[in-house]
Amino acid sequence: GAVVSQHPSRVICKSGTSVKIECRSLDFQATTMFWYRQFPKQSLMLMATSNEGSKATYEQGVEKDKFLINHASLTLSTLTVTSAHPEDSSFYICSATHLTGRNEQYFGPGTRLTVT
Amino acid sequence: QKEVEQNSGPLSVPEGAIASLNCTYSDRVSQSFFWYRQYSGKSPELIMSIYSNGDKEDGRFTAQLNKASQYVSLLIRDSQPSDSATYLCAVTTGGTSYGKLTFGQGTILTVHP
Repeated sequence: GAVVSQHPSRVICKSGTSVKIECRSLDFQATTMFWYRQFPKQSLMLMATSNEGSKATYEQGVEKDKFLINHASLTLSTLTVTSAHPEDSSFYICSATHLTGRNEQYFGPGTRLTVT
Repeated sequence: QKEVEQNSGPLSVPEGAIASLNCTYSDRVSQSFFWYRQYSGKSPELIMSIYSNGDKEDGRFTAQLNKASQYVSLLIRDSQPSDSATYLCAVTTGGTSYGKLTFGQGTILTVHP
């Protein structure tokens, strides 16, 4: 149990275009989903916290108009990187907490974004 | 002072030995404690969670929590080369930050044959 999927696993896009990443909890309902970014040899950086049916809460320094988060249901959250630039190239990882769990976070496999 | 600190690595142990990973945290109201394993190029994988003082064992892994000392550790017995990874200590608190993980910087473990 507690499986989280992400799609796509890898994406290459041109500078100025937008990319949507999906995060799904496959076998449980997720109260909250989190979006992280990780640059090579660095730790995970929390970007935003997303609750179903409400606006995401962004961490300081993360542009909410650039990183659009939609949490449409208890099993799906999406992150859209708008007008992507090469500096947005990174490993994007989502996680989800179980509706009835003790706030254990289960991570998706991640999406590697390369902006050319 | 960092909120969650892990013992500096990298840590190298021979196959079959016990690997000991340590973590301290600064917020006394921290409620939940986790150990994640992250292989290079992959996302973190939850391997242990612990919520109350004492030891919790799961297979070759034992987590130890001491809230008075604000200390949590992970022991890996009979270490295998496949255990070579970065180990992340993570802590959650309550209140408005409910559910948010604060990570340590990670400890790189290498188990050599």
